[in-house]
Amino acid sequence: AQKVTQAQTEISVVEKEDVTLDCVYETRDTTYYLFWYKQPPSGELVFLIRRNSFDEQNEISGRYSWNFQKSTSSFNFTITASQVVDSAVYFCALSEEAGANSKLTFGKGITLSVRP
Amino acid sequence: NAGVMQNPRHLVRRRGQEARLRCSPMKGHSHVYWYRQLPEEGLKFMVYLQKENIIDESGMPKERFSAEFPKEGPSILRIQQVVRGDSAAYFCASSTTQGRYTEAFFGQGTRLTVV
Repeated sequence: AQKVTQAQTEISVVEKEDVTLDCVYETRDTTYYLFWYKQPPSGELVFLIRRNSFDEQNEISGRYSWNFQKSTSSFNFTITASQVVDSAVYFCALSEEAGANSKLTFGKGITLSVRP
Repeated sequence: NAGVMQNPRHLVRRRGQEARLRCSPMKGHSHVYWYRQLPEEGLKFMVYLQKENIIDESGMPKERFSAEFPKEGPSILRIQQVVRGDSAAYFCASSTTQGRYTEAFFGQGTRLTVV
């Protein structure tokens, strides 16, 4: 069975600090997909990134970066120079289905508060 | 191109009533997924549908819950005889084709409160 663990539940930082959100996953499949979603206070889910199990390259998108380490089954997310607008709940998710996004298994989420 | 539309955004039902949640996928999307988010929890998969077919309902409670995605019109998640424990946010997501490398598009969710 697949499982996603986000051990941190709440993180509070001051604006401009860097912050890393941890995600550890469990799966028996050799092919799987990892995702991060953002849920701002307004409640919608915003897709941030998808990574497949064959691609261990780290990715950077503006202030966001992701570190995928298969050896430790982790897919951590770092926000550099955090801003108040980054305040949200962040979910890591895993899919064992080929390609698309059916049957995502989500972690419980990390509530990030960025204070001015 | 409108995103995934869910309505209503907020729904209040008394115990024992029926709740109907609607999801209109993005244009061109023929796959719909429903997830439930209980308070302080992550989202849990409920059901995956294609037009007129239920593909995977392994996450659906055995009783009172049903889902459909007709040839025309939105997907409907139906909860009969609601109980307080059904209070949650229900999210719908849509995608183009299973097996394609594509991102999930989620709706804004329907927040169901059972009083």
